[in-house]
Amino acid sequence: DAGVTQSPTHLIKTRGQQVTLRCSPKSGHDTVSWYQQALGQGPQFIFQYYEEEERQRGNFPDRFSGHQFPNYSSELNVNALLLGDSALYLCASSLGQGFGANVLTFGAGSRLTVL
Amino acid sequence: QKEVEQDPGPLSVPEGAIVSLNCTYSNSAFQYFMWYRQYSRKGPELLMYTYSSGNKEDGRFTAQVDKSSKYISLFIRDSQPSDSATYLCAMSAGASGSRLTFGEGTQLTVNP
Repeated sequence: DAGVTQSPTHLIKTRGQQVTLRCSPKSGHDTVSWYQQALGQGPQFIFQYYEEEERQRGNFPDRFSGHQFPNYSSELNVNALLLGDSALYLCASSLGQGFGANVLTFGAGSRLTVL
Repeated sequence: QKEVEQDPGPLSVPEGAIVSLNCTYSNSAFQYFMWYRQYSRKGPELLMYTYSSGNKEDGRFTAQVDKSSKYISLFIRDSQPSDSATYLCAMSAGASGSRLTFGEGTQLTVNP
């Protein structure tokens, strides 16, 4: 059973560019959350998608946007990249909105470097 | 002030030692408490998940939550070199939503 898969694993962009990261959730999961993990820090919540809608959002600017598709996969888009956007972007999936919603399965992440 | 404080370490112990990892938090709304383990170049994996105050044991791992003190702990007995990783505490205010607030992680090395 495949867990959470993310692509690409690594990418390098320059300031001002745009990036799209992709995530396929664990089989059977319907909720996708995105986290940003800077080097030496814990993950920070960006937003969560359920039923193709953004349900919650963390303290991130509008340059960060996302989408969830009918097959539950998701994309994270970041516009006008800044040096400070360099981080590991983690996708996590979970099931539903009940007790199990806190049981997240994480992917290995997409490491973004902004030059 | 961060909502969740965790000593980043690094922490280095000999094989077989008992390891104690801790987090404090300031948000009284947190009710769900988790510990994740993250190996280098990997995503976090869930180790322990507890609700409210109390203890939970799973093999060599014991999680403790003291809501009155806003303090959680993870104990690792008979530590092994394979336990070498970064340990992240995480918390949530509600059962739904999966919006977790993480500590910054403690880097643990278990020496053979």
